[in-house]
Amino acid sequence: DAKTTQPPSMDCAEGRAANLPCNHSTISGNEYVYWYRQIHSQGPQYIIHGLKNNETNEMASLIITEDRKSSTLILPHATLRDTAVYYCIVRALNTDKLIFGTGTRLQVFP
Amino acid sequence: EAGVTQSPTHLIKTRGQQATLRCSPISGHTSVYWYQQALGLGLQFLLWYDEGEERNRGNFPPRFSGRQFPNYSSELNVNALELEDSALYLCASSQNGVYNEQFFGPGTRLTVL
Repeated sequence: DAKTTQPPSMDCAEGRAANLPCNHSTISGNEYVYWYRQIHSQGPQYIIHGLKNNETNEMASLIITEDRKSSTLILPHATLRDTAVYYCIVRALNTDKLIFGTGTRLQVFP
Repeated sequence: EAGVTQSPTHLIKTRGQQATLRCSPISGHTSVYWYQQALGLGLQFLLWYDEGEERNRGNFPPRFSGRQFPNYSSELNVNALELEDSALYLCASSQNGVYNEQFFGPGTRLTVL
C-alpha cells in the first residue's frame, strides 16, 4: 500500500471549515483514498472514500487532485465534537487490512 | 441498525494468562477484522476472518489467534500474555470481504500486569 503523509496537528475555530491535507504521491491506479477519524480512545469512524472524483457525504467532502497525488478532507462547519485524530489511508480494493499512519490531530476550539 | 459490539470493555490480566475478546459484527456483515492499538504504536492489523475462515494475519506471533463462528461473531485469543500486549483491541466488520469500508467497534482495553 502507498504511504501517506499528514501534518501531525491542526487547529480550527468552531464553525469554520477544517481542511485536512494528505499526500499520497506513490498512489497507484487501483488504490482508493479513505478517511477515518478516531475520537479519543474510541474505535475509528469511517468518514468517506474516493478514487479520483470529488466526493461528498453528510459528514465531509473529499477533494482529490487531478494527478491523485494528494487530497483534502473538508469538514465544512467544524464543531467541538470533530476534535479527533484523522487518518488518511490509501487502499486497493482487493486488499483487506487498513494501514493506519500517525494521522492528523485536529483540535477544534471555541 | 446496531453497530459493531465488543466485550468486555476492559480486561485486566496478569503476565502469562490468557485473554479472550469478543466481537459481534453489524448484521449482514460477514468479514471481521482485528486491530491492536498499543500506546505509541498506532493501529496495527492483526487478523481477518471471512465466512468462518482466517484469511490473513498481520505480523504478530502465533499466540494471537482467533476464530469466527457461524453467526459471524468472532473471538480473539491471546495466550501467554506479555506486558507489551497491553493495548486497545479493535474489531471491525464489513460486507462481503474486502470490497467495502470497515466499521469499527468501541474496542476492548486489555491491561496486562
